[in-house]
Parts: sequence; C-alpha cells; structure tokens
Amino acid sequence: AQSVAQPEDQVNVAEGNPLTVKCTYSVSGNPYLFWYVQYPNRGLQFLLKYITGDNLVKGSYGFEAEFNKSQTSFHLKKPSALVSDSALYFCAVRDNSGGYQKVTFGTGTKLQVIP
Amino acid sequence: DTEVTQTPKHLVMGMTNKKSLKCEQHMGHRAMYWYKQKAKKPPELMFVYSYEKLSINESVPSRFSPECPNSSLLNLHLHALQPEDSALYLCASSQARTGQGDTQYFGPGTRLTVL
Repeated sequence: AQSVAQPEDQVNVAEGNPLTVKCTYSVSGNPYLFWYVQYPNRGLQFLLKYITGDNLVKGSYGFEAEFNKSQTSFHLKKPSALVSDSALYFCAVRDNSGGYQKVTFGTGTKLQVIP
Repeated sequence: DTEVTQTPKHLVMGMTNKKSLKCEQHMGHRAMYWYKQKAKKPPELMFVYSYEKLSINESVPSRFSPECPNSSLLNLHLHALQPEDSALYLCASSQARTGQGDTQYFGPGTRLTVL
C-alpha cells in the first residue's frame, strides 16, 4: 500500500521569504514522488518529480524539492515566495514495484503568500 | 507540449439529461485517466485507459460511462446523474511507462453542476 501525508492544511508566508510545503510518504518499494500545483478552478500542473539519483530535484517556476529517504519526506521549497505562488499544492506518490497507473495524492496544502 | 484539453469548461445538467465530457491529448501518450475532484480535496481516480483499453474502474456508478475512441481521445458519458455528482472532472494522460517515473499531465477540467 502507498500513502502520502501533507500535515499542514495551510501555509502562510510573506512575499520574498523562503517557503516550505511538507510531504511525507509511505510505500512498500522505492518511491516515485511528485508535486503538483492547482490554481482555483483549474487542473493540476506538474511541478517536479523524484525518480532516483540526486536528492535535490529542481522543477518549474523556481521550485525545488528534497528527497530524504531516512525521514520518508519530500518537502517542496522555494527560496523567495511570490504572491502568484498562492495556490493549492498536492504531493503524490507511486510505488515503483507496481503499475504506473495509480498515483496516491495527499490532501493538499493551501499556500498563501502575503504581500 | 504538455497540453491536455477538455471541453466543455462548464456544464450544467438536470438529473434526466445525457451529456458527454471530452478530453484530447496530442503528446502520444498511451494512458488516459478520468478523475473527480470536490472542492479543496485531492483528485479521486475514476477510470484508466491503457492502450485504448479500460484497465481500471474504481467502482464508479454506471451512470458514468467512459469511452476511448482512439489513443488521443477520451470521453465520459453522463446519464441520470445526482446532485452529489457535481464536481470538477479532470482528465489526465501519461506515457504509460511501467517501472519509470510516468508523469500524469492534467487538463483544465470541466466544472459540472447537476441540478
């Protein structure tokens, strides 16, 4: 079984400050991990993914995420937040031992960047 | 190009109506997905088509009927829906690569309201 947890329903950060959105996961094999962003009344936009290799993954719009196997975490980060980053962020996981089809999404974290 | 298109953007229907949602991708992807998303919740998987064959049906009521006419198109036929079926319906596609970081790309969604 695979699962993912986003412990914060909402994260508030001042514009220009660094931001972190937390994600922890549980899988039986090695994980594939994803971050998506969703703006109001829109679909999910892919930001970045971890497959293997370098623990620091860089993605779209200046976002990056750090894979930590010992802590089973994949936190999303950005050095300097923009007001336009305000959105709903979903972490997702898939176990690499099975098929590609079923991705488990976290419950989402609303990011509010305050001007 | 990572674009998945969906039509219509908005749909209002009565409980006795029959309507269809359409999804299209031209990325050469061989897996296509339907998700249902309620407000501020993660997407819930409904159906998966792999190489134009239905591979996953997550016990979705028969009033939802998927169809995959070819590798680029995915339809969702709706009939006799209930008000609780009102939601954002998301289509996604992926390359269908087992054992690799297969990434799902989402369309903008159709906002469905059932009266």
